[in-house]
Amino acid sequence: DAGVTQSPTHLIKTRGQHVTLRCSPISGHKSVSWYQQVLGQGPQFIFQYYEKEERGRGNFPDRFSARQFPNYSSELNVNALLLGDSALYLCASSFATPGYGYTFGSGTRLTVV
Amino acid sequence: AQSVTQLGSHVSVSEGALVLLRCNYSSSVPPYLFWYVQYPNQGLQLLLKYTSAATLVKGINGFEAEFKKSETSFHLTKPSAHMSDAAEYFCAVSENSGGFKTIFGAGTRLFVKA
Repeated sequence: DAGVTQSPTHLIKTRGQHVTLRCSPISGHKSVSWYQQVLGQGPQFIFQYYEKEERGRGNFPDRFSARQFPNYSSELNVNALLLGDSALYLCASSFATPGYGYTFGSGTRLTVV
Repeated sequence: AQSVTQLGSHVSVSEGALVLLRCNYSSSVPPYLFWYVQYPNQGLQLLLKYTSAATLVKGINGFEAEFKKSETSFHLTKPSAHMSDAAEYFCAVSENSGGFKTIFGAGTRLFVKA
């Protein structure tokens, strides 16, 4: 079975640009969550989506947005990139119950120069 | 709001020694608690989870954790460390409050000495 797949694996962008990160969850999982992990820190919650609806939002600026598609895949969009947006962006899929736990993808390493 | 505190950003043990990684949580409702492991340049992998069943939870790779409500703790242990256990470990708490989100601690890097 395919795990959680994220694309691209690495990305270099210039300040002020826009970026779109993509995630395909495990088959059968209807919930997708996005996390930002800065080097040396724990993952910070950005969004959770379930059945194409936003179910949770972390403390991130409006430059960050996301959506979930009918096939449960998801996109994370970041506008007006800042140097501080450089991080590993992790996608996690799960059943929509808080006690199930996540399956994570390997992440997209975003570098903003 | 829920939160997680991991005591010790770095822990070093000798191969064969006991591993103890500490985690304390804060939650306004009965929590779900997790430990994840992250190897370099990879995503996180679920080690074990507490979901209000048995307070002593066994996970993969010989790890286990004990939920202690009175101490609001969920410490991770392994009787005998192996070189392959060297990694970053994250404690996490999740609660159902109209949708749910999982909050992660800052992580503890485990070093295993030969």
